[in-house]
Amino acid sequence: KAGVTQTPRYLIKTRGQQVTLSCSPISGHRSVSWYQQTPGQGLQFLFEYFSETQRNKGNFPGRFSGRQFSNSRSEMNVSTLELGDSALYLCASSLNAGAGANVLTFGAGSRLTVL
Amino acid sequence: AQTVTQSQPEMSVQEAETVTLSCTYDTSENNYYLFWYKQPPSRQMILVIRQEAYKQQNATENRFSVNFQKAAKSFSLKISDSQLGDTAMYFCACHNNNDMRFGAGTRLTVKP
Repeated sequence: KAGVTQTPRYLIKTRGQQVTLSCSPISGHRSVSWYQQTPGQGLQFLFEYFSETQRNKGNFPGRFSGRQFSNSRSEMNVSTLELGDSALYLCASSLNAGAGANVLTFGAGSRLTVL
Repeated sequence: AQTVTQSQPEMSVQEAETVTLSCTYDTSENNYYLFWYKQPPSRQMILVIRQEAYKQQNATENRFSVNFQKAAKSFSLKISDSQLGDTAMYFCACHNNNDMRFGAGTRLTVKP
């Protein structure tokens, strides 16, 4: 079956713009979580969605938001982009909520560059 | 909040030899899970091995095994018979139902 699909794979934006990233989970998976990966900060948890509800949120400013649709697909949005938002954004899906008991399957990521 | 520490930024090993990657963590939760993930140069992160904290027996998965020391909050990964395809970044992670923390990663290079 198809894996976790993230689009777009690469994008370049300028400061002040906003961006929307998409994640389609594995069929049947109802939980989607997002992570930011940078050389300096490593992998940081952004948020987790389950059944269209945000279950958990990491320590990121309100410029970072997300949502999940009824088909479990998820989007994350970053508004008023800053240079420091340049990163690889990873999405992961799991069967149910709570990544501890449920194994995460990651997508290939969306590489965002902010100029 | 949970913390995960990987003290080895980079490691290398000769093909067919054994290497151990270190990880320590801190959590106030009683119910948590520990993971090792591998991120090859192509970037897709994949699960290597998983350990439930309530299980004393160390998890194994083919050439990969862990040494889980709960009291010491240590969770090291041993890779036996290293292969060139094991070259990747390895991330240790501690997850419970409400928090997910990753270590900074260890870049492992397997040399022919």
